[in-house]
Amino acid sequence: AQSVTQPDIHITVSEGASLELRCNYSYGATPYLFWYVQSPGQGLQLLLKYFSGDTLVQGIKGFEAEFKRSQSSFNLRKPSVHWSDAAEYFCAVEDSGGYQKVTFGIGTKLQVIP
Amino acid sequence: DGGITQSPKYLFRKEGQNVTLSCEQNLNHDAMYWYRQDPGQGLRLIYYSQIVNDFQKGDIAEGYSVSREKKESFPLTVTSAQKNPTAFYLCASSNKREGTGELFFGEGSRLTVL
Repeated sequence: AQSVTQPDIHITVSEGASLELRCNYSYGATPYLFWYVQSPGQGLQLLLKYFSGDTLVQGIKGFEAEFKRSQSSFNLRKPSVHWSDAAEYFCAVEDSGGYQKVTFGIGTKLQVIP
Repeated sequence: DGGITQSPKYLFRKEGQNVTLSCEQNLNHDAMYWYRQDPGQGLRLIYYSQIVNDFQKGDIAEGYSVSREKKESFPLTVTSAQKNPTAFYLCASSNKREGTGELFFGEGSRLTVL
């Protein structure tokens, strides 16, 4: 069964600092990978996705992520964090076998300090 | 505008009562999903449906039921058999034909059992 691990439950960074959120997945074939963001009490919004091709993918709000097959990782990065980036971030993997079952990690809550 | 509408946003229920959460989408998406979100546990899949009149159990289906009589609608019933129903419930949809797997989320329904 597919699974997703986000090892950091909480991360605090200073505004303007760089950010990296870690995600590791377990899946037999080449996965479809996603990062979503959630503001408190709201639904989730897609930041970016990887299906195939270039392993460095660009997303909205200045985020990017790199797929590393050898490490089974899909880490999310941003060079300079803004206070509005404070939210919870979820990594997800989709069954690429056609059943579209999407499994989420437990999330990383990002706090941004001035 | 196209999107997913969940209702009610907040719901209170007495123990032993069934309650139905509504989810409607006007995105013309084939697939629809219900997730449960608890603090520190991320999103867990309850049920999903790839096509009208068909649905599959997710990872935590016990105590829940769904129907998919129309493409636009995927209501979730939380039955009295669900031992710990207090949670934030998220409905999502995706366009199976495009195969992108991107999930579009509603704003969620918060259920509290008194």
